[in-house]
Amino acid sequence: NAGVTQTPKFQVLKTGQSMTLQCAQDMNHEYMSWYRQDPGMGLRLIHYSVGAGITDQGEVPNGYNVSRSTTEDFPLRLLSAAPSQTSVYFCASSIRTHNEQFFGPGTRLTVL
Amino acid sequence: SQQGEEDPQALSIQEGENATMNCSYKTSINNLQWYRQNSGRGLVHLILIRSNEREKHSGRLRVTLDTSKKSSSLLITASRAADTASYFCATDGQAGTALIFGKGTTLSVSS
Repeated sequence: NAGVTQTPKFQVLKTGQSMTLQCAQDMNHEYMSWYRQDPGMGLRLIHYSVGAGITDQGEVPNGYNVSRSTTEDFPLRLLSAAPSQTSVYFCASSIRTHNEQFFGPGTRLTVL
Repeated sequence: SQQGEEDPQALSIQEGENATMNCSYKTSINNLQWYRQNSGRGLVHLILIRSNEREKHSGRLRVTLDTSKKSSSLLITASRAADTASYFCATDGQAGTALIFGKGTTLSVSS
């Protein structure tokens, strides 16, 4: 099993550009989530999904969209990138919400 | 607002010493989890303790949970240089449908 994969590993955007961060898991997990990690702030939850077709907002959802059309994939879309979105983004999955989370390696995003 | 808060923010010890870090949270939980993050890497799950458990062990790790005080502690015994990492606690959100992390404790173990 590949576990949780994220692409790209690194990305540089200009203010106003849009992009999609990809996340996929091959463990048939129902629960998937996106976090951003900033220095001194720990991990903050952006969006999460408890199953295909179901998504909900986390602590810091503004500026981000998600969809969950399949169990395997949970892409995160930045609609119009801003410098405040410069961060490291982690995707995670688990069998169900309250179980052990498996994390991807992260995407380091810089918005100029 | 964040559900869990770790204390201390940073901890420096010598190899062989024990390291204790604490986590306090605000609302009722189903379970509490601890994760480790090595620099620049994704988080790795260490241990999960359910709300009806008071103590749990895994190798050199010991976790306690006090639901009356809404707090948990992680003890790493006989620390090694390889334990140098950031440690995070995570709890269910208020609605019980999402996992919320604290800001973490950075542990540095020197040889």
